[in-house]
Parts: sequence; C-alpha cells; structure tokens
Amino acid sequence: GIQVEQSPPDLILQEGANSTLRCNFSDSVNNLQWFHQNPWGQLINLFYIPSGTKQNGRLSATTVATERYSLLYISSSQTTDSGVYFCAVEQMDSSYKLIFGSGTRLLVRP
Amino acid sequence: DAGVTQSPTHLIKTRGQQVTLRCSPKSGHDTVSWYQQALGQGPQFIFQYYEEEERQRGNFPDRFSGHQFPNYSSELNVNALLLGDSALYLCASSQGTEQFFGPGTRLTVL
Repeated sequence: GIQVEQSPPDLILQEGANSTLRCNFSDSVNNLQWFHQNPWGQLINLFYIPSGTKQNGRLSATTVATERYSLLYISSSQTTDSGVYFCAVEQMDSSYKLIFGSGTRLLVRP
Repeated sequence: DAGVTQSPTHLIKTRGQQVTLRCSPKSGHDTVSWYQQALGQGPQFIFQYYEEEERQRGNFPDRFSGHQFPNYSSELNVNALLLGDSALYLCASSQGTEQFFGPGTRLTVL
C-alpha cells in the first residue's frame, strides 16, 4: 500500500518563528489533507489540497503531485499552533480510505 | 451547521465486554468512516459506510462491525474487547473525497 512519511517528527519553535512541515507519499493520490490535532484529540481540517497551493491566514500549503510531496508552512507561529500536524492521503484507486502519516509534533514556546 | 458529532465522549469497559460507539455526520454528508488512533500514532482506517453498506474495510478483525442508518448516522460495535482496543475512535463524514472528523470517543479497556 501507499506509504506516507512526515518530517520532522518533532519541532520546537519560539513564538513568532516560521516553519515548514513536509509530507512525502509513495504513489499517486486522489486526495491529500492536512490536519491539526489539538490536545483534546480533535482533528481540525487545515487544507484539502491534492495539488496546487492554498493559503488560509498564517498557514499555507503546496502539493506537487508529480513529485509526490506536500509542504505545510506556518508563519509567525503562536502558542495555539502547538499540537500534532497530520498529513493524510487517499490512494488513486478509489480506495476511499485516508492513510495517515505519523505526524509532526509541534511545540511553540512563548 | 453542526459538525460531526460522536457519543459518548469517554467510555471505560473491561476485557471481554462489548461496546457501541455512535456518530452523526455533518449535514449533507452521506458517507461515514471510522478510524482507530492508538496513543502516539496516526489514525488507522477501520471501515467506511455508504448507502447503509460497508464499502471498504481496513485490516481489523471481525470483532469490529458497524452499521449505517437511513439518516446516514452510524454505529461502531466492538465485541470481546481486548486491552489493545484502548484507543481514541474517530468518526469522519464526507460528501465527495474531503473528510471531516468528529471529536472522538476515548475507549479504555481494563
């Protein structure tokens, strides 16, 4: 099956710093989503981005489907950005299921 | 517009018991997927329901079963609980490919 790798596994930032999270996947995909999991376990949708570039406030994402990777950019980080960021993909065989990476654990210090 | 809801929030069971978790999808969504998230890991796909039938299943034993009702809500049943079934159980709904997650049910098996 498709493999999803996220890097770095852990990241510590000072408030106000910028960061880039990476997601590599091993096969063509129908769907790619970025999520933020808060301390209570809720998965919050950040981006639905099987290809191209999107921006939402301080966050932006780019997926280069032909090269099988996606990047999540966080600018001017805030303590509320802390948590785990997951990339999840749906393989291009109408498999319907999301395959998650192992996540990037982000801690933003004040 | 209510998002995906799940009940109960927390549940404690003992080994060998049976449990039923419930999920109501986001308004307008007709597909429900269930995921299991063990501590420190990404969510793992259990199965997906569409038109009241199981459309796809992940690598989980038959002890895990489900149901979808005509109003698109869904139940996840787990029989003969094992200690290893302790996890956060997440429900996701969709209309198309983008999936939206509920807050989860945290199951503890003693």
